[in-house]
This record gives sequence, C-alpha cells and structure tokens, in this order.
Amino acid sequence: DAGITQSPRHKVTETGTPVTLRCHQTENHRYMYWYRQDPGHGLRLIHYSYGVKDTDKGEVSDGYSVSRSKTEDFLLTLESATSSQTSVYFCAISDPSGSGGYNEQFFGPGTRLTVL
Amino acid sequence: ELKVEQNPLFLSMQEGKNYTIYCNYSTTSDRLYWYRQDPGKSLESLFVLLSNGAVKQEGRLMASLDTKARLSTLHITAAVHDLSATYFCAVVRFGNEKLTFGTGTRLTIIP
Repeated sequence: DAGITQSPRHKVTETGTPVTLRCHQTENHRYMYWYRQDPGHGLRLIHYSYGVKDTDKGEVSDGYSVSRSKTEDFLLTLESATSSQTSVYFCAISDPSGSGGYNEQFFGPGTRLTVL
Repeated sequence: ELKVEQNPLFLSMQEGKNYTIYCNYSTTSDRLYWYRQDPGKSLESLFVLLSNGAVKQEGRLMASLDTKARLSTLHITAAVHDLSATYFCAVVRFGNEKLTFGTGTRLTIIP
C-alpha cells in the first residue's frame, strides 16, 4: 500500500466527542489528502496538504480540521463528532515531482468511523 | 464546479462478455484516473490518462480519453470473475491537484 498506514482502523464514538485520525507515510511524498467515502457519493476530498504546515480545504471540509507538522504525518480532527460524519475515511499521498508528472495518488487502507 | 458522472452505476455481466463503463466530466481537465476498489478494501490505481486520444491497456481492461467530448471509457474484454469490483474515475482540474471522483460503477461478473 505504498507505505501508508492509518490509525485507528476502526473507531466507534459518541456524538459530541473529539476524534483524531492519523495518516502516516514512509514514502516522503509531498502531498497528502483526506477523503471520506459514503454510498452514492464516491470519494470526496475533505482537506489536503501540499507541504508541512501547508493545507487547503476540499469540497466537504466543514466540521473537520487538519494538521501537518511533519512530512510523514497528516492528522484529521473532528472537533465534535456528529452522526453525519459516520463514514470510511481514506488518506492518500502523491508526489508531483515523481511518477512522470502524473501526481498519481496512492491510498491508505482506510478508517471506518461510526458516530452514535 | 467540476462534476464527474459515471454510468452505469451497477453492471452485472456474464463471464466472457464485453462491456464499457463511461465517465463524463463537466470542465476541462488536466488528467483522468481510473481506480479499482474491492469490497472493504482500499483503492488501487489502474490507469492515468493525460492527453486527448490516450489509450492504455492492462490485461482485459482498456481505458481511453477524449478530452474534446470530456469522456473517458473503461472497456472490459471477455470478462472474468476476478474483475468483479467497483471502478471509479477521477478527474483533476487544470491548476490544482484536487481529485473529483465519480460515484463509481459496481461491476459483478456472473459465471
């Protein structure tokens, strides 16, 4: 899986609690992304990072924040989880300077989050 | 706003048959990707298409891109059970690296 791990892999939490998901890479890729996957929606971008401490919003960023203090780690935080944030969350990485300029994204194994 | 539509959403095929999945997108694009996802698993990259007329083939799968029509196709030749999965196309708009995904096509190959 291109040296990408996500933790935890499964989590059940209650509405109103904070949750942090971690993505860790060993590929030294510059770009990192967080997506959520829901039936009928495909994957939707939440936030992405184009370098340490450089982040930007995706199409479904409300209710989520991110941080990247090291190249290898990208954290996704739900400040106060809601049931609508029940989903499968995927992290991805890419390197625009490699892979022939394709900037192909490689995906982690996913985290299944349930908010009760 | 970039929109990506795939059809069909569900496809049930008999082994040995040919079929095509279609991916339409709404604005000019820099690159188009095809991914495969098995149930409960992550996404696996299949193809990256860069330019008009690009065609790539891997085994029984062939992907093509028509940038003028804003259309990509994923053609399956002589389907086998191992190709059962959900297939996604994803498009990058010029000037940024944000991927916009289609909703996916769930392909089931019936013996």
